[in-house]
Amino acid sequence: SYQLTQTPSVSVSPGQTARITCSGDTLSKQFAYWYQQKPGQAPALVIYKDNERPSGIPERFSGSRSGTTVTLTISGVQAEDEADYHCQSLDTSVIFGGGTKLTVL
Amino acid sequence: EVQLLQSGAEVKKAGESLKISCKASGYRFTSNWIGWVRQKPGKGLEWMGVIYPDDSDTIYSPSFQGQITFSADRSINTAYLQWRSLKASDTATYYCARGLWLGELGADSWGQGTQVTVSS
Repeated sequence: SYQLTQTPSVSVSPGQTARITCSGDTLSKQFAYWYQQKPGQAPALVIYKDNERPSGIPERFSGSRSGTTVTLTISGVQAEDEADYHCQSLDTSVIFGGGTKLTVL
Repeated sequence: EVQLLQSGAEVKKAGESLKISCKASGYRFTSNWIGWVRQKPGKGLEWMGVIYPDDSDTIYSPSFQGQITFSADRSINTAYLQWRSLKASDTATYYCARGLWLGELGADSWGQGTQVTVSS
């Protein structure tokens, strides 16, 4: 089982806003990181330290936190955003969520 | 450009040993942790642990402690993940990534993955 809890799937239409959540006690005191993983590819970092974007990541990707829940928001979703999204944080070791499959309808 | 290039897919039998590699380029290999992550088919990511290539300091996830060994060769900028005796349950894709430990928790570069298939 995973120490961070993610909703298994989220579906949105192009142009809408997708919100993907990740919950866990450790998130009240540790940063969250988000990865995008497209089929057959390695994960890629899209958000670090809750809400920072690596260079090259579009502005439509943003992160936020409220208590023990962090949220990855994708504004104006595009077809190319269809992927699995994994959250990550730190407890006694590095931990991941189970992943959320984003489907663009 | 930071790159991590992993060795190719492996097909093994249960009980056999295996060592896969992750060759780094484009940055100072000894300055960052290298983490290893397992992903079973259709499943999420699992952190296996990290190695610091400068001094080969290693930290293993309790879930993998005793089952695997990390090593690194600074002379050729390569990190390794090794099994002494594979099990069918080790069938998965294994990724190396730069980071994944204190001070650099976010993994900003990943290898392309090594698919390991273990038959019983």
